[in-house]
This record gives sequence, structure tokens and C-alpha cells, in this order.
Amino acid sequence: ETVLTQSPATLSLSPGERATLSCRASQSVSSSLAWYQQKPAQAPRLLIYDASNRAPDIPVRFSGSGSGTDFTLTITSLEPEDVAVYYCQQRSSWPITFGQGTRLEIK
Amino acid sequence: EVQLLESGGGLVPRGGSLRLSCAASGFTVSNFAMNWVRQAPGKGLEWVSTIAIGGTTYYTDSVKGRFTISRDKAMNTLYLQMHSLRADDTAVYYCAPRGLVGDWFDPWGQGTLVTVSS
Repeated sequence: ETVLTQSPATLSLSPGERATLSCRASQSVSSSLAWYQQKPAQAPRLLIYDASNRAPDIPVRFSGSGSGTDFTLTITSLEPEDVAVYYCQQRSSWPITFGQGTRLEIK
Repeated sequence: EVQLLESGGGLVPRGGSLRLSCAASGFTVSNFAMNWVRQAPGKGLEWVSTIAIGGTTYYTDSVKGRFTISRDKAMNTLYLQMHSLRADDTAVYYCAPRGLVGDWFDPWGQGTLVTVSS
């Protein structure tokens, strides 16, 4: 099983700041990684797929990078609506796995 | 517009059974890999099961032999039959297709809550 480890567990930043979220895989997943955003009391939403492609209707302030075992989700110029838990997910090998999530708080 | 509507959740005793449904609109479920993902209260996301376009099924180890994923082409609906339910099956269960955006879970339904009483 490919274990995804996200860091930090919680991130607290101010509006307008830049957020950098990390996801590390226990083995290479190539570019088969996605990021999801889950706002309070909502279902998850796909943000980034294939490591660096923005899903439809996702604002340009969200970007993804990385390949192999190390991946980053960057949110430039944070907005209050970005408060959420962010999960990474791999589909390179069965079982499909998710990271444990990073909670983003806005000060 | 693509929409998914899960139903069938509820309170069930330990050892009991439940069948979840996911009614789809805006796309045909048999043309995509369909999936169930769950989230225990206050916890993260856990993939549960997939039914591929060709009908091959996949399960996470903890539900193998207890859960069965299936689909009905005429009803355009995905199902998850759950037996021998345990307390650790308590979760919100989401359905989602893979293949509308790359090969990733998108969009997600609103989820249905399954509570297994101990």
C-alpha cells in the first residue's frame, strides 16, 4: 500500500499570504496524484489532478507541482473562503489511498 | 449537469445490513469507473470500492467479503450492499465517478451517513 503523508497537519495564515502544503508518498506514484478541498460540512472537491493540472473552474491561485514521491499544493494570496481540509490522493497502485489531510485556517 | 444523489444510509445494529444507492444524472454510470469513498466522523477520506467500466470490482481489505458494489444500467444507479456491519463502518459514504476529469474522483455526491450501533 502506498502511504501518503501530508504536512503540516494544520496551517494558520493570514489573508493574502501564500500557503504551501506537502504530500509525500512512500513509493513513487509518478504523476498520478490529485488534491481535493473539503470545506466544512461539504463533500470534497477536486482541485488538482495529474499532479499539476487545475480542475475545471478552480481559481488560478491554486497550483500543484511535483512527481515521484514529493508533491506540493500552493495557494497564492489566501482568501477567507479557502478555509478547508486539503487531501492528496494517489491512483498509481491499488489500493487507492489518501493522505490524512492538512487543515488550513485563516487568521 | 452532472449530479449524484446518495441515499440509503441510516442507523443499523452491529452485524446488520444496508444497501446504499447513488443515482446519477448527466452521465451514464456504466461508461465510467464508479467508486465509493467513506469518511468516519472527524476523520479523513478512505477509498472503499470501485467498479470498473468492464465490471471488475475492487475493495479495500477491511470490507472484502462483506460489501458488494454493483450498478444498474437502466436505473443509472450505483449501489453498495453492506453486510456484517461493524462499528468502524460508521461513516459518511460518498459516491464519485472516475473519468470525467482525468481519471480522478469528480464530482462527489453529498454523501449518506451510515451509523452502526454497538
